Amino acid sequence: AQSVAQPEDQVNVAEGNPLTVKCTYSVSGNPYLFWYVQYPNRGLQFLLKYITGDNLVKGSYGFEAEFNKSQTSFHLKKPSALVSDSALYFCAVRDKGMNTGFQKLVFGTGTRLLVSP
Amino acid sequence: GAGVSQSPSNKVTEKGKDVELRCDPISGHTALYWYRQSLGQGLEFLIYFQGNSAPDKSGLPSDRFSAERTGGSVSTLTIQRTQQEDSAVYLCASSPPTGALSGANVLTFGAGSRLTVL
Repeated sequence: AQSVAQPEDQVNVAEGNPLTVKCTYSVSGNPYLFWYVQYPNRGLQFLLKYITGDNLVKGSYGFEAEFNKSQTSFHLKKPSALVSDSALYFCAVRDKGMNTGFQKLVFGTGTRLLVSP
Repeated sequence: GAGVSQSPSNKVTEKGKDVELRCDPISGHTALYWYRQSLGQGLEFLIYFQGNSAPDKSGLPSDRFSAERTGGSVSTLTIQRTQQEDSAVYLCASSPPTGALSGANVLTFGAGSRLTVL
Protein backbone atom coordinates (compact mmCIF):
# COMPACT_ATOMS: atom_id res chain seq x y z
CA ALA A 1 0.00 0.00 0.00
CA GLN A 2 1.14 3.50 -0.73
CA SER A 3 1.89 6.05 1.98
CA VAL A 4 3.55 9.41 2.54
CA ALA A 5 5.31 10.82 5.57
CA GLN A 6 5.63 14.46 6.51
CA PRO A 7 8.13 14.40 9.35
CA GLU A 8 7.58 17.97 10.52
CA ASP A 9 4.37 19.09 12.18
CA GLN A 10 5.41 22.72 11.78
CA VAL A 11 8.02 24.69 9.86
CA ASN A 12 8.92 28.22 10.87
CA VAL A 13 10.68 30.58 8.47
CA ALA A 14 11.24 34.31 8.24
CA GLU A 15 9.77 36.21 5.33
CA GLY A 16 12.23 36.41 2.45
CA ASN A 17 14.08 33.26 3.42
CA PRO A 18 13.88 30.03 1.44
CA LEU A 19 11.50 27.37 2.72
CA THR A 20 11.39 23.59 2.49
CA VAL A 21 8.53 21.33 3.54
CA LYS A 22 9.58 17.70 3.57
CA CYS A 23 7.77 14.67 2.20
CA THR A 24 8.86 11.08 1.70
CA TYR A 25 6.78 8.41 0.03
CA SER A 26 6.40 4.67 -0.17
CA VAL A 27 4.80 2.91 -3.12
CA SER A 28 5.18 -0.46 -4.74
CA GLY A 29 5.69 0.99 -8.19
CA ASN A 30 6.22 4.42 -9.67
CA PRO A 31 4.37 7.25 -8.00
CA TYR A 32 2.23 10.16 -8.90
CA LEU A 33 2.99 12.84 -6.28
CA PHE A 34 1.04 15.91 -5.32
CA TRP A 35 1.15 18.89 -3.01
CA TYR A 36 -2.01 20.57 -1.76
CA VAL A 37 -2.37 23.65 0.45
CA GLN A 38 -5.08 24.57 2.92
CA TYR A 39 -5.29 28.23 3.85
CA PRO A 40 -7.13 29.17 7.06
CA ASN A 41 -10.89 28.68 6.73
CA ARG A 42 -10.55 27.64 3.11
CA GLY A 43 -10.67 24.36 1.24
CA LEU A 44 -7.78 22.32 -0.02
CA GLN A 45 -6.17 23.65 -3.17
CA PHE A 46 -3.89 21.91 -5.63
CA LEU A 47 -0.33 23.29 -5.82
CA LEU A 48 1.63 20.98 -8.11
CA LYS A 49 2.14 17.41 -9.21
CA TYR A 50 4.82 15.06 -10.48
CA ILE A 51 3.89 12.51 -13.12
CA THR A 52 7.05 11.75 -15.04
CA GLY A 53 9.91 13.54 -16.73
CA ASP A 54 11.74 16.49 -15.22
CA ASN A 55 12.39 15.93 -11.54
CA LEU A 56 11.84 19.60 -10.72
CA VAL A 57 8.19 20.52 -10.89
CA LYS A 58 6.95 24.11 -10.77
CA GLY A 59 3.54 24.97 -9.42
CA SER A 60 1.30 27.75 -8.22
CA TYR A 61 2.38 30.77 -6.13
CA GLY A 62 6.08 30.30 -6.89
CA PHE A 63 6.31 26.87 -5.28
CA GLU A 64 8.32 24.01 -6.71
CA ALA A 65 9.09 20.46 -5.69
CA GLU A 66 11.90 18.09 -6.47
CA PHE A 67 11.27 14.41 -7.08
CA ASN A 68 14.16 12.28 -5.84
CA LYS A 69 13.68 8.61 -6.59
CA SER A 70 16.75 7.38 -4.75
CA GLN A 71 15.66 9.13 -1.57
CA THR A 72 11.93 8.55 -2.20
CA SER A 73 11.33 12.21 -1.46
CA PHE A 74 9.25 15.01 -2.92
CA HIS A 75 10.12 18.09 -0.88
CA LEU A 76 8.23 21.34 -1.45
CA LYS A 77 10.36 24.46 -1.83
CA LYS A 78 10.13 28.17 -2.41
CA PRO A 79 13.11 30.49 -2.83
CA SER A 80 11.62 33.40 -0.87
CA ALA A 81 8.79 32.91 1.62
CA LEU A 82 5.88 35.31 2.05
CA VAL A 83 3.77 35.82 5.15
CA SER A 84 0.78 34.89 3.00
CA ASP A 85 2.31 31.43 2.44
CA SER A 86 1.41 30.55 6.03
CA ALA A 87 -0.93 27.58 5.71
CA LEU A 88 -1.23 23.81 6.12
CA TYR A 89 0.54 21.82 3.42
CA PHE A 90 -0.27 18.25 2.47
CA CYS A 91 1.78 15.84 0.41
CA ALA A 92 -0.08 13.03 -1.37
CA VAL A 93 0.78 9.96 -3.41
CA ARG A 94 -0.97 7.63 -5.78
CA ASP A 95 0.54 4.39 -6.99
CA LYS A 96 0.40 4.22 -10.80
CA GLY A 97 -0.05 0.48 -10.64
CA MET A 98 -1.67 -1.62 -13.29
CA ASN A 99 -5.24 -0.71 -12.52
CA THR A 100 -5.13 3.00 -13.18
CA GLY A 101 -8.84 3.35 -12.78
CA PHE A 102 -8.92 2.42 -9.15
CA GLN A 103 -6.12 4.11 -7.30
CA LYS A 104 -6.93 6.27 -4.33
CA LEU A 105 -4.92 9.32 -3.33
CA VAL A 106 -3.26 8.96 0.06
CA PHE A 107 -2.37 12.10 2.02
CA GLY A 108 0.23 12.81 4.66
CA THR A 109 -0.59 14.26 8.05
CA GLY A 110 0.20 17.80 6.95
CA THR A 111 2.83 20.38 7.86
CA ARG A 112 1.92 23.78 9.17
CA LEU A 113 4.07 26.51 7.65
CA LEU A 114 4.42 29.69 9.64
CA VAL A 115 6.14 32.61 7.93
CA SER A 116 7.01 35.46 10.25
CA PRO A 117 7.34 39.09 9.09
CA GLY B 1 -21.66 23.10 -11.10
CA ALA B 2 -18.66 25.35 -10.89
CA GLY B 3 -17.21 23.57 -7.90
CA VAL B 4 -17.75 20.75 -5.45
CA SER B 5 -20.67 21.58 -3.20
CA GLN B 6 -21.12 20.06 0.25
CA SER B 7 -23.98 20.34 2.69
CA PRO B 8 -24.53 21.01 5.47
CA SER B 9 -21.49 23.16 6.14
CA ASN B 10 -21.96 22.63 9.86
CA LYS B 11 -23.82 19.94 11.74
CA VAL B 12 -24.16 19.57 15.48
CA THR B 13 -25.78 16.36 16.65
CA GLU B 14 -26.24 14.33 19.77
CA LYS B 15 -24.39 11.11 20.37
CA GLY B 16 -26.35 8.16 18.98
CA LYS B 17 -28.13 10.09 16.24
CA ASP B 18 -27.70 9.37 12.54
CA VAL B 19 -26.35 12.03 10.17
CA GLU B 20 -26.23 12.40 6.41
CA LEU B 21 -23.68 14.51 4.58
CA ARG B 22 -24.16 15.40 0.95
CA CYS B 23 -21.69 16.02 -1.84
CA ASP B 24 -22.47 17.40 -5.29
CA PRO B 25 -19.39 16.96 -7.49
CA ILE B 26 -18.33 18.94 -10.52
CA SER B 27 -20.44 18.02 -13.52
CA GLY B 28 -18.72 15.39 -15.64
CA HIS B 29 -16.33 14.25 -12.93
CA THR B 30 -16.54 10.49 -12.66
CA ALA B 31 -14.37 10.04 -9.58
CA LEU B 32 -15.61 11.05 -6.14
CA TYR B 33 -13.78 10.79 -2.85
CA TRP B 34 -14.66 11.22 0.80
CA TYR B 35 -11.96 12.13 3.31
CA ARG B 36 -12.09 12.98 6.99
CA GLN B 37 -9.95 15.67 8.57
CA SER B 38 -9.61 15.54 12.32
CA LEU B 39 -7.57 17.95 14.39
CA GLY B 40 -3.97 16.80 14.23
CA GLN B 41 -4.84 13.73 12.17
CA GLY B 42 -4.35 14.92 8.63
CA LEU B 43 -6.57 13.68 5.84
CA GLU B 44 -7.99 10.21 6.32
CA PHE B 45 -9.28 8.41 3.23
CA LEU B 46 -12.79 7.02 3.65
CA ILE B 47 -14.23 5.89 0.32
CA TYR B 48 -13.69 6.31 -3.43
CA PHE B 49 -16.21 6.01 -6.27
CA GLN B 50 -15.07 5.68 -9.89
CA GLY B 51 -17.78 5.62 -12.51
CA ASN B 52 -19.95 2.50 -12.31
CA SER B 53 -17.28 0.39 -10.63
CA ALA B 54 -17.71 -0.97 -7.13
CA PRO B 55 -16.44 1.64 -4.68
CA ASP B 56 -13.23 1.31 -2.71
CA LYS B 57 -14.55 1.26 0.86
CA SER B 58 -11.27 0.32 2.48
CA GLY B 59 -11.06 3.53 4.51
CA LEU B 60 -14.42 3.40 6.24
CA PRO B 61 -13.62 3.18 9.98
CA SER B 62 -16.58 1.05 11.03
CA ASP B 63 -19.84 -0.42 9.80
CA ARG B 64 -21.60 2.68 11.13
CA PHE B 65 -20.25 4.49 8.08
CA SER B 66 -21.68 4.04 4.62
CA ALA B 67 -21.82 6.01 1.41
CA GLU B 68 -23.66 5.83 -1.84
CA ARG B 69 -23.53 7.64 -5.10
CA THR B 70 -26.72 7.90 -7.09
CA GLY B 71 -26.69 8.20 -10.85
CA GLY B 72 -22.95 8.67 -10.90
CA SER B 73 -23.32 12.16 -9.47
CA VAL B 74 -24.46 13.19 -5.98
CA SER B 75 -23.05 11.23 -3.06
CA THR B 76 -24.31 10.85 0.49
CA LEU B 77 -22.14 9.81 3.42
CA THR B 78 -24.19 8.37 6.28
CA ILE B 79 -22.96 7.93 9.81
CA GLN B 80 -25.23 5.88 12.05
CA ARG B 81 -25.30 6.06 15.85
CA THR B 82 -22.75 8.86 15.89
CA GLN B 83 -20.01 8.88 18.49
CA GLN B 84 -17.94 11.77 19.79
CA GLU B 85 -14.88 10.48 17.96
CA ASP B 86 -16.77 11.00 14.69
CA SER B 87 -16.42 14.76 15.17
CA ALA B 88 -14.36 16.03 12.26
CA VAL B 89 -14.52 17.88 8.98
CA TYR B 90 -15.72 15.60 6.21
CA LEU B 91 -14.30 16.54 2.84
CA CYS B 92 -15.56 15.51 -0.55
CA ALA B 93 -13.51 15.76 -3.74
CA SER B 94 -14.05 14.90 -7.38
CA SER B 95 -11.81 14.46 -10.40
CA PRO B 96 -12.21 14.06 -14.17
CA PRO B 97 -12.85 10.78 -16.03
CA THR B 98 -10.37 7.93 -16.13
CA GLY B 99 -7.83 8.23 -18.89
CA ALA B 100 -4.27 7.30 -19.71
CA LEU B 101 -3.04 9.58 -16.98
CA SER B 102 -5.97 9.06 -14.66
CA GLY B 103 -3.71 8.68 -11.72
CA ALA B 104 -2.47 12.19 -12.33
CA ASN B 105 -5.91 13.74 -12.23
CA VAL B 106 -6.15 16.62 -9.81
CA LEU B 107 -8.80 16.47 -7.12
CA THR B 108 -11.06 19.44 -6.56
CA PHE B 109 -12.22 19.64 -2.96
CA GLY B 110 -15.38 21.02 -1.48
CA ALA B 111 -15.37 23.30 1.55
CA GLY B 112 -16.26 20.41 3.83
CA SER B 113 -18.96 19.56 6.36
CA ARG B 114 -17.97 20.14 9.96
CA LEU B 115 -19.59 17.54 12.21
CA THR B 116 -19.73 18.00 15.96
CA VAL B 117 -21.08 15.16 18.06
CA LEU B 118 -22.03 16.20 21.58
